[in-house]
Parts: sequence; C-alpha cells; structure tokens
Amino acid sequence: GQQVMQIPQYQHVQEGEDFTTYCNSSTTLSNIQWYKQRPGGHPVFLIQLVKSGEVKKQKRLTFQFGEAKKNSSLHITATQTTDVGTYFCAGPGGGADGLTFGKGTHLIIQP
Amino acid sequence: EAQVTQNPRYLITVTGKKLTVTCSQNMNHEYMSWYRQDPGLGLRQIYYSMNVEVTDKGDVPEGYKVSRKEKRNFPLILESPSPNQTSLYFCASSSRVPSGAYEQYFGPGTRLTVT
Repeated sequence: GQQVMQIPQYQHVQEGEDFTTYCNSSTTLSNIQWYKQRPGGHPVFLIQLVKSGEVKKQKRLTFQFGEAKKNSSLHITATQTTDVGTYFCAGPGGGADGLTFGKGTHLIIQP
Repeated sequence: EAQVTQNPRYLITVTGKKLTVTCSQNMNHEYMSWYRQDPGLGLRQIYYSMNVEVTDKGDVPEGYKVSRKEKRNFPLILESPSPNQTSLYFCASSSRVPSGAYEQYFGPGTRLTVT
C-alpha cells in the first residue's frame, strides 16, 4: 500500500539551531498532515497541507508541500527545549479512507 | 472538555486470553481509528470506522477485531493475543475522513504487554 518515507529518523541539535524533517511519497498525495508527539504523550495535530506548493507558518515552524504533492517538509527555526519530541507526517493510505504515517523524526535538543 | 478516552491505560496479559480495549469520544465524530506504535516503526493503522456499523482494515489488521455499534465508542478486540501484539495502542477520532484532511484527536494510549 501507500508508503510515506520520513527522514531523518533521529536529529540531534544544539538549542537555538534549526531543524528540518522531510517526508516523501512515491505517489501523489491529496493532502498531508503533520503531528507532534512529546515523550510519553500522544500525537497532537499540527497542520494539514492540501495545495501544491503550499507553505504555512506557525510561529517558528514552517511547513511546505511540494509542487508535485509528493513531498513535504517541516522546518523549525531556532529550536527550543519545548520542541523536543517526535514529528510525524501522515498521508492517505492503508484502505480507501485510511491514513499512513511516516516513521517519524525524533528531535533531540542539547542545551 | 473534548476528548478521546481509552481504557485500560496499562494492561499485562497472557497469550491467548481475550481482551478488549475501549475507546470513547465525546465530540460526535464520525471517523474513529486504532493505531499501534512500535519503536522504529512509527504509527500503523489497524482498523478504522467511517461511521456506525462501517469499519475497514488499515495497514496491520491481522489478529484484531473492532466494532462500531454506537457513534461514540470503538472498542479494539484481541481474541487470542500473542506476544507480537505487545505495543502501545492509540485510538483517534476526527470529524471527517483523515485522508480528506481533517485533524485527528488521539487518546492517551494503552500500553499492552502480552507474555
């Protein structure tokens, strides 16, 4: 079925550095969603992207959807300790109305 | 408060002993779903339901059953649990089909250990 590949699996950064995670699909996605999971917590919805080339910002977070709607990225500027967690992308898949998640990127911040 | 609840939060059981994990949402959402989360594998969808009496398989349905008799409840049933079903399970709901781009609300998770 549909697969959404996400890289890197782990990212260590110094506090204040930038962070980016990437999602790629072999097929065109109708939309893509991003979630954040804090350690010991549950996934929390961040944003959804629907349009080709779409860029959305939430404070220090910038989300992009590729022109071909096959890739997406999440960029965090000047990371803070509160950004620690795992970031997942998710796209349609696994059944007619299912949802397939990428394996996630674990963001580890060193003070 | 809008929320998704799961019970139990933690469960240790033995191989072959049937169990049910309950999930309930108070947001009148049509779509509900179950996921399992394993290290290195991320979140994988087990089953989902578009509405009452409508369910469908996700990516990893083997060994699980679900039912949707009421809109608010979506229990996950393991009729004969095996050790490879040891995992962290999440229930989620949304007001529309996720693939149509509506956010999912996740429950707090159920950590299941099968010995």
